[in-house]
Amino acid sequence: DSGVTQTPKHLITATGQRVTLRCSPRSGDLSVYWYQQSLDQGLQFLIHYYNGEERAKGNILERFSAQQFPDLHSELNLSSLELGDSALYFCASSVSGAYNEQFFGPGTRLTVL
Amino acid sequence: GENVEQHPSTLSVQEGDSAVIKCTYSDSASNYFPWYKQELGKRPQLIIDIRSNVGEKKDQRIAVTLNKTAKHFSLHITETQPEDSAVYFCAALTGGGNKLTFGTGTQLKVEL
Repeated sequence: DSGVTQTPKHLITATGQRVTLRCSPRSGDLSVYWYQQSLDQGLQFLIHYYNGEERAKGNILERFSAQQFPDLHSELNLSSLELGDSALYFCASSVSGAYNEQFFGPGTRLTVL
Repeated sequence: GENVEQHPSTLSVQEGDSAVIKCTYSDSASNYFPWYKQELGKRPQLIIDIRSNVGEKKDQRIAVTLNKTAKHFSLHITETQPEDSAVYFCAALTGGGNKLTFGTGTQLKVEL
């Protein structure tokens, strides 16, 4: 157990819908990262937040947005869902910046039907 | 650019043999290179990392080498065991030090 929690574990929804994925970092970690892992694909970086501020963006779609709250938990919002959004979404956290070890959560499996 | 290439995509070795996975990166400012192991159905976990001020780092059966001039780094696993079977990802710190760019992964299979 890495200390990073993600909810829900599984999510099944329909095209066009909107979902919210939640992540709680390890106690004391200030950075949160979101990654997308599609079937047989690597880890695609989406976004990095540090202490509530956006630090870096990857190839995140405009339909996706995220935020980190004052208590440091983070949410990833996916809207107008398409079949191709089906993937495993990982959250990771680190003590400070991306030059520190990132601890991954168990992931949320999103299935869009 | 910020690109990390990883080879091979699949690697099959006999138990007890060595395995080598290679990565190249494009961002000359990168100075941190971690390796993650992802077992089937599980989360990625850091197994070893190296920073640009050293050329090699070893932890028991695992070692990583870094050649900053050539912009490549490699993972070496010696005396492989069945439990080493997993997908291995290399990564490089990019984006001004604010994100990790991952390679596409190597599926390692250690056969008895």
